[in-house]
Amino acid sequence: AQTVTQSQPEMSVQEAETVTLSCTYDTSESNYYLFWYKQPPSRQMILVIRQEAYKQQNATENRFSVNFQKAAKSFSLKISDSQLGDTAMYFCAFMRWMDSNYQLIWGAGTKLIIKP
Amino acid sequence: KAGVTQTPRYLIKTRGQQVTLSCSPISGHRSVSWYQQTPGQGLQFLFEYFSETQRNKGNFPGRFSGRQFSNSRSEMNVSTLELGDSALYLCASSQESGRALNTEAFFGQGTRLTVV
Repeated sequence: AQTVTQSQPEMSVQEAETVTLSCTYDTSESNYYLFWYKQPPSRQMILVIRQEAYKQQNATENRFSVNFQKAAKSFSLKISDSQLGDTAMYFCAFMRWMDSNYQLIWGAGTKLIIKP
Repeated sequence: KAGVTQTPRYLIKTRGQQVTLSCSPISGHRSVSWYQQTPGQGLQFLFEYFSETQRNKGNFPGRFSGRQFSNSRSEMNVSTLELGDSALYLCASSQESGRALNTEAFFGQGTRLTVV
């Protein structure tokens, strides 16, 4: 079974600090995609960053970067210089293509609070 | 460019009733996916429609159904509502089908359904 685990239900850091959210997944596939989505109080899910499993280089988007460890099946998100607007739920998601169809599996989420 | 629009934003229904939720994707997007989000559960995939055809389906009972119109707008219907159907229902649109693993999905703000 494919699973995505986010072991931190809630995290809290001071503004301008760096925070890392963890995500592990379980799969026997070699090709897949991993995503981090952010859901602020407005409820709208926003794509933060995306990683293709066959790419060894870690994806980065401005203050957001990932540490992708394929062998360990780990996909953590690092937020540098955190801002108040980063306060949100963060979801890790795993997508693969199999049997003429795709599966998108989500973690339970991590609530991140940035304190002023 | 307008984003993904979901209506209504909030809905209260009684057990046994049925409900229809609407999703208007971003102009030019042909794929619409539906998700159920409950506290602590992350997102559970319901189904995806692409060019008026259901392309993918999650593990939900037949009470959950959907359709897509020629203008790509999609509706989701839940019949014989149960208390456990109370959730945030999110819709996501993308240009290509989710089969294109790297396609980015844009989410609406969801419809909060409460079943009493």
